[in-house]
Amino acid sequence: GAGVSQSPRYKVAKRGQDVALRCDPISGHVSLFWYQQALGQGPEFLTYFQNEAQLDKSGLPSDRFFAERPEGSVSTLKIQRTQQEDSAVYLCASSLGAFREQYFGPGTRLTVT
Amino acid sequence: AQSVTQLDSQVPVFEEAPVELRCNYSSSVSVYLFWYVQYPNQGLQLLLKYLSGSTLVKGINGFEAEFNKSQTSFHLRKPSVHISDTAEYFCAVSITGGGNKLTFGTGTQLKVEL
Repeated sequence: GAGVSQSPRYKVAKRGQDVALRCDPISGHVSLFWYQQALGQGPEFLTYFQNEAQLDKSGLPSDRFFAERPEGSVSTLKIQRTQQEDSAVYLCASSLGAFREQYFGPGTRLTVT
Repeated sequence: AQSVTQLDSQVPVFEEAPVELRCNYSSSVSVYLFWYVQYPNQGLQLLLKYLSGSTLVKGINGFEAEFNKSQTSFHLRKPSVHISDTAEYFCAVSITGGGNKLTFGTGTQLKVEL
């Protein structure tokens, strides 16, 4: 069956531009997570949704980062006024519920020049 | 807050040899433990998990891990590796009652050579 998909797979942005990264979770998965993976590092938690409710956004590094999941399915991570330190792979994961296995998408590689 | 340490950034091993990838964690509360594998340009795939019960956990692709509470460790082992096991391996924890977010280690690159 279809797994978690993310688009675009690669994004190059000039410093100061706004970007939007999309995540399509597995159908029926109520939980959705965003992680940021810098080069040579492990993924770091950004934010978590249960259905359309954003229950935890403690990992968002600044107010330039914003995530939404308005209908409890597709989610978008938006980064405003991108900076070089935002360059990373952004991973999306979904699960059936709390403490169920998280299924990861292939990620979006963001490069800010 | 919880943390995960993977001391070995790279582990080279010959095909058919055994391998152990080390993982230590720190947490003031009970944890759930996971190992994920990441192949190039792919997402993370769950290898195995420890939630409760038996401390020896068996996963996919012949991997197993043992939870050692006194040593706060969750080392990953495989008795005989294959070329196809070459990948990045991440240990992760989540805390019980603290939501579902995962805290990852920095990863160990396993390189299997002929």
